[in-house]
Parts: sequence; structure tokens; C-alpha cells
Amino acid sequence: KNEVEQSPQNLTAQEGEFITINCSYSVGISALHWLQQHPGGGIVSLFMLSSGKKKHGRLIATINIQEKHSSLHITASHPRDSAVYICAVTRSSARQLTFGSGTQLTVLP
Amino acid sequence: EPEVTQTPSHQVTQMGQEVILRCVPISNHLYFYWYRQILGQKVEFLVSFYNNEISEKSEIFDDQFSVERPDGSNFTLKIRSTKLEDSAMYFCASSGNLGTGWSEAFFGQGTRLTVV
Repeated sequence: KNEVEQSPQNLTAQEGEFITINCSYSVGISALHWLQQHPGGGIVSLFMLSSGKKKHGRLIATINIQEKHSSLHITASHPRDSAVYICAVTRSSARQLTFGSGTQLTVLP
Repeated sequence: EPEVTQTPSHQVTQMGQEVILRCVPISNHLYFYWYRQILGQKVEFLVSFYNNEISEKSEIFDDQFSVERPDGSNFTLKIRSTKLEDSAMYFCASSGNLGTGWSEAFFGQGTRLTVV
């Protein structure tokens, strides 16, 4: 069983739509990360959170520690948001990231 | 803005050859990592490095792999005798101590290794 599960695997949206990507994990963590991977392959950290909610521009990340669940929301989506969004966790017992399989988001104009 | 730099961006090598992938982490960071991503698969942890020694390694990181921080700025991953299945994107990452905890990991742009 994967320690980090994301859904959906693929998501197509129209420009302007509100988008939600979900992440569940099954291990004890010290932090949860949302990352973005563009077609060229580079990975950019969007959020690192251990409780509550964080907002950066049109992106919002929330985490529920009791339910071991996090969501990434994108408001007013735009074609330039098209990328793979990856959930990853830092386990309590380690420093490195354990990755989910990613969500391929395509936003159509 | 500080960034993690990886070279080369793409390397093609013959099976059985040794390759060295290079990374320059962010200068005041203390923890360094190598990850790999086989095409179409998720990112996998290889090794972490702290205080000039390996901190953790995965089962992927066998005797064919080694890491080094030769000069206080570079951080290298060596694959001794490459196999076809080593073809992947290799990412270097680093993280720093904020005083109140560790920062998020900053990733390099990756080195695409193709073994032929």
C-alpha cells in the first residue's frame, strides 16, 4: 500500500474553475508538502504545512492531521496552472520526502 | 533568489560506464538529498547527507551508488557501473535550518540520465 495517495490522477478543468486535489497519507508525519512539476521536469515547492491552512496567491493548502488528509485548492484556474501537482510527506522518523504519484492538471482556455 | 544547481542537464552514457551527477546546494543549507524519477513513475528517495555523512538511504541506493561532498559546495552522486534501469531523472535537493525547524526542500532542475 502506498504511504501517500493522491486523487484524482488526472484532472481537466476549464479556465476559471475552482480546483481541488486531495492527498491522504497513512504514516506519522512532521510535515506535508505540495509541489509542482512542470513538463520540463523541474520540481518547485509550493507549500510545507504541519497544521491548518496556508495561502499563496490563488493557491490554498489545508491539512487535517486527525484525518491524515490534505487538500490543495486553486481558485480562478488558468492554463499556466497546468502541471503535475505532487503531495509528499516528511515522516516523523526521517528527514526525506515520501512522494505521492502526482495529479496531472490540465486547464483549458 | 538562491537555487540548487545541477549539472549536466542531460547525460547519455553506455551501459557499464561510471557517471557522476553534480549538484551545488543552497549555500547555508545543511541537509542534502538525491531523488530519482523513472519516466512515468513517482519520485523516489535515494539518499540523504548531513554533517558529511550519509544520514539515510533507501534500498535503491546499493553498492553501485555513492555520494560525496568533496569541497564544501558541490554534492555529487556517482553511479559506478550504469545499468539500463538507472535511466531516470535525478534530482538533488537541499534544506536548511530555520532555527524554528527545517525549511522545505529546494530542488534542482534535475539531470536526465539515459543509459544505452
